[in-house]
Amino acid sequence: GDSVIQMQGQVTLSENDFLFINCTYSTTGYPTLFWYVQYSGEGPQLLLQVTTANNKGSSRGFEATYDKGTTSFHLQKTSVQEIDSAVYYCAMRANTGNYKYVFGAGTRLKVIA
Amino acid sequence: EAAVTQSPRNKVAVTGGKVTLSCNQTNNHNNMYWYRQDTGHGLRLIHYSYGAGSTEKGDIPDGYKASRPSQENFSLILELATPSQTSVYFCASGLGDQDTQYFGPGTRLLVL
Repeated sequence: GDSVIQMQGQVTLSENDFLFINCTYSTTGYPTLFWYVQYSGEGPQLLLQVTTANNKGSSRGFEATYDKGTTSFHLQKTSVQEIDSAVYYCAMRANTGNYKYVFGAGTRLKVIA
Repeated sequence: EAAVTQSPRNKVAVTGGKVTLSCNQTNNHNNMYWYRQDTGHGLRLIHYSYGAGSTEKGDIPDGYKASRPSQENFSLILELATPSQTSVYFCASGLGDQDTQYFGPGTRLLVL
């Protein structure tokens, strides 16, 4: 069935460190891929999305590339700041069948000043 | 900007009691969703709707019912609440094919 895997439950970095959060997906066809960010006390909000395979999405210094070959959509940022501390969710929307959304388990990022 | 509101924001219920969580959106989006959020599981889809009068089962519908009486409102109903339903519940709305989801602020439910 459809699934999204985020192996890292928590990541702790210092300011200006490089961020890399793994995300892999499993489905048939070409899904739309998303990264959502959830700040403390709020609901998740869209960070970036990519609808076309091999394209890159970017927002607020974050980037993710839709890699159809490895079925991955890893999130990267060159230099994290304390304000980036949040939970990051990788998500997928299948473009066949019931078009259902599937979220990964989330990765909690803590950035230390 | 998209606006999704949820009520109540916090709820304490007793085992066996009935709980209704409400969601309202002013975006005129067709699609609405209910998720629960638990540590280690992320966001799991309970029920969703494609429009007024429609409800569909998500991945974990057991113990929950949903109601979509209008474009704006989508309720989640726990007829017989159990402690295992203690969680944070999020409602979301989405427009169509691109279906970016707009989330409400969440409802924290504690079932004693």
